[in-house]
Amino acid sequence: QQPVQSPQAVILREGEDAVINCSSSKALYSVHWYRQKHGEAPVFLMILLKGGEQKGHEKISASFNEKKQQSSLYLTASQLSYSGTYFCGTDAYTSGTYKYIFGTGTRLKVLA
Amino acid sequence: GAVVSQHPSRVICKSGTSVKIECRSLDFQATTMFWYRQFPKQSLMLMATSNEGSKATYEQGVEKDKFLINHASLTLSTLTVTSAHPEDSSFYICSASQGGSNQPQHFGDGTRLSIL
Repeated sequence: QQPVQSPQAVILREGEDAVINCSSSKALYSVHWYRQKHGEAPVFLMILLKGGEQKGHEKISASFNEKKQQSSLYLTASQLSYSGTYFCGTDAYTSGTYKYIFGTGTRLKVLA
Repeated sequence: GAVVSQHPSRVICKSGTSVKIECRSLDFQATTMFWYRQFPKQSLMLMATSNEGSKATYEQGVEKDKFLINHASLTLSTLTVTSAHPEDSSFYICSASQGGSNQPQHFGDGTRLSIL
């Protein structure tokens, strides 16, 4: 039921790029992306609503393929501050209604 | 903007105690508030969704008599863990939204609950 994110964990050097994928078995209306640092609450990054929509936030962008029920988060030229756990939040059609479900999470560590 | 305040940040209490956690949206009106539970190194698990002025919708497996949710105003929701036991120890996080899938959720800082 829970959207599956891949990879589960990734380690990068500062300046390297990364892609985090979020795949759902349910039809999606929207996808949200959040970053959570250890011991803190998640911080909102962006929302994607339409099929094939892409959005950008500084060096972080995302795409949403409604047909494939997938979203990807792209981190370019990673910075130390990008370290944390990334979650996709999905508004998925389940049992006749939309339910908000977070993905399994991807732990990202950026090294100097 | 979009600040959500959650209190207390940390609670340590004896088994059998009831604990109330407050979640306030400080600079916007939150038509919908969410309560999550998060275990170490795991994702956020939605416990319930509450809309102002109506009863909360609980997720499957969440005991409504155990986790009482009140959303009395557009800026305040409370979660009361009644007669808490050690297995209720967890990180509880609230979020607030102005409603709809096109609106982000803004999270409080969470409450770390430890039941002895």
